[in-house]
Amino acid sequence: GESVGLHLPTLSVQEGDNSIINCAYSNSASDYFIWYKQESGKGPQFIIDIRSNMDKRQGQRVTVLLNKTVKHLSLQIAATQPGDSAVYFCAERLNRDDKIIFGKGTRLHILP
Amino acid sequence: DVKVTQSSRYLVKRTGEKVFLECVQDMDHENMFWYRQDPGLGLRLIYFSYDVKMKEKGDIPEGYSVSREKKERFSLILESASTNQTSMYLCASSLLRGFADSPLHFGNGTRLTVT
Repeated sequence: GESVGLHLPTLSVQEGDNSIINCAYSNSASDYFIWYKQESGKGPQFIIDIRSNMDKRQGQRVTVLLNKTVKHLSLQIAATQPGDSAVYFCAERLNRDDKIIFGKGTRLHILP
Repeated sequence: DVKVTQSSRYLVKRTGEKVFLECVQDMDHENMFWYRQDPGLGLRLIYFSYDVKMKEKGDIPEGYSVSREKKERFSLILESASTNQTSMYLCASSLLRGFADSPLHFGNGTRLTVT
């Protein structure tokens, strides 16, 4: 089965609040993780990545946190906007010789 | 920005037809990939390619073939389309050879319906 999963299939957040999207992975040997955003009718769009030798990485309005102890990955979006409404996927790579595995996604709804 | 272009957004084909899905990337990326995306099943890898004229099977290659005659172009071929190949097909590319620390960049997909 999937080694990458998500805690919630749908998340609703008030506009302006921070969003936290969670992802669990089962393989402690995974060494590279990626978050994607997929808007309706479009392909997945790369947001941010992180290597297993890091526990935090920040981008523009987004932060990815990696907790290797509990095999947990999260994406934090600051000051959520209507344009953030999408499905968010986490993905992991087992090692440099292996392919990337995608989770099934969390749909983020923005409440006005 | 990386641009991955898939030639068709929507296609409708009949069972048994030969179908070509075309993908072009403009960033001189080494790797190219074909995925299909289905509700409840997520993204599944069909084929990928590390180099011109090179191909590797992914998780679900049955019923598909690919062609990479030029570095920027990767074609997915359905030799004899079947209704269970109705899906969203996504092409992707990545910069570095193999699965190095280089994210995949996706096109906007081709929604194929086989009737």
